[in-house]
Order: sequence, then structure tokens, then C-alpha cells
Amino acid sequence: AQKVTQAQTEISVVEKEDVTLDCVYETRDTTYYLFWYKQPPSGELVFLIRRNSFDEQNEISGRYSWNFQKSTSSFNFTITASQVVDSAVYFCALSEANTDKLIFGTGTRLQVFP
Amino acid sequence: ETGVTQTPRHLVMGMTNKKSLKCEQHLGHNAMYWYKQSAKKPLELMFVYSLEERVENNSVPSRFSPECPNSSHLFLHLHTLQPEDSALYLCASSQGVAVTLSGANVLTFGAGSRLTVL
Repeated sequence: AQKVTQAQTEISVVEKEDVTLDCVYETRDTTYYLFWYKQPPSGELVFLIRRNSFDEQNEISGRYSWNFQKSTSSFNFTITASQVVDSAVYFCALSEANTDKLIFGTGTRLQVFP
Repeated sequence: ETGVTQTPRHLVMGMTNKKSLKCEQHLGHNAMYWYKQSAKKPLELMFVYSLEERVENNSVPSRFSPECPNSSHLFLHLHTLQPEDSALYLCASSQGVAVTLSGANVLTFGAGSRLTVL
């Protein structure tokens, strides 16, 4: 069975701090895909990144970076030099190959204070 | 309009009412989804339609009835709901496995319909 765990319910930081959001997943498949989505107060989930299980290279996009470790079944997300606009709920998600089923974690609410 | 549009954005209904949520996508996608988002719970997948056929039904009570008349529209018909059904209902679309032949489909979400059942 698939499962995504985001143990951090809420994180508060002050602007310019770095913050890491944790994601641990479970799956029996060898081929799967991992995602991060951002949900700002407006409610609409916004896609941030997708990784497949065969690509363990870390990725950096501006202030965002992702660390994929198959050995620990983790796909952590780091925001460098956080800004107030980063305040949102962040969801990690998992999809197994050949399905349209995307399973989400419970989300981590990030509050960035000025 | 572009993206995924959901109407109404807010809905208040009594337990004996019948109402519907509507979702429309202008992305040319082939798969559409309903998710339920309650406080302090994971996003719960309710239904998935691929090429207008229901491919996933996650043990959702029969008081929720989905309808997908074409690949651009998805409805969620509601009747005799309970107060615990109050939640944010999110619609999403993707290219779908039937087209991309993989599980790497990125979902595009609407802004949601906030439902309150009195």
C-alpha cells in the first residue's frame, strides 16, 4: 500500500531563515513518482516538482531545492532564505506507475514572519 | 478561461438539500479528479475519471454521485449530506495514464468549492 507521511504539522520561521520540510513515503513498487505541491491561502494547489524513482539527483530551482534519498524513502524540500510569500501549506505526494492515483500526505503549514 | 474552474466557490446546504458542484477544465486533459480536503486530514481522493470512464472510486458514500459528461466537465452531485461532509472539495485534471502511459501525470487543481452542511 502507498503512504506519504509529513510529520511536521506546522513550522514557523522568520524571513531569510532556511527551512526544510520532511516527506517520507512507502510503496511496494520499484517505479513511482514523487511530487511537491504548494497550497497558498487562495486554496488552489500549485505544482512545484515531480521526480521519478530512478532519478536520485538533487534538484535546485532558485530558492527551492529537493533531496531525494531512496535509502531512507525520503523526499525533503528546502526553502533557502524564506520569504513571507512562501507562507502556505506544502503537500508531498506519491503516484505509482501506470495509475492516475495521486496520494497526498497531510501537509505542512509553513508560516514565514517578517 | 484557462486552467481548472470550479463553481460555486462557496456552498451552504441543509442535510435534505440536493446540490451539485461543477468543474470545468480548458487544458485538453483526459483525466479528472475529485478530492476532499478536511481539516487536519490528508487530501482524500474520491473519484478519478479517465477518458470519461470512472477508474477509481475510493469507498465514497453514495450520497456523493459523480458525473463526467465529457472530458472537459466533471460534476459532483450531493444529496442528504451530513455535517461531517463539510470540507473543501477540489477538482483536478491531468493528461491521464491512458494518454501518457506513465504515472507521472501532473495534476492541475481548481481553487475548490467550500461546502458547509448545516
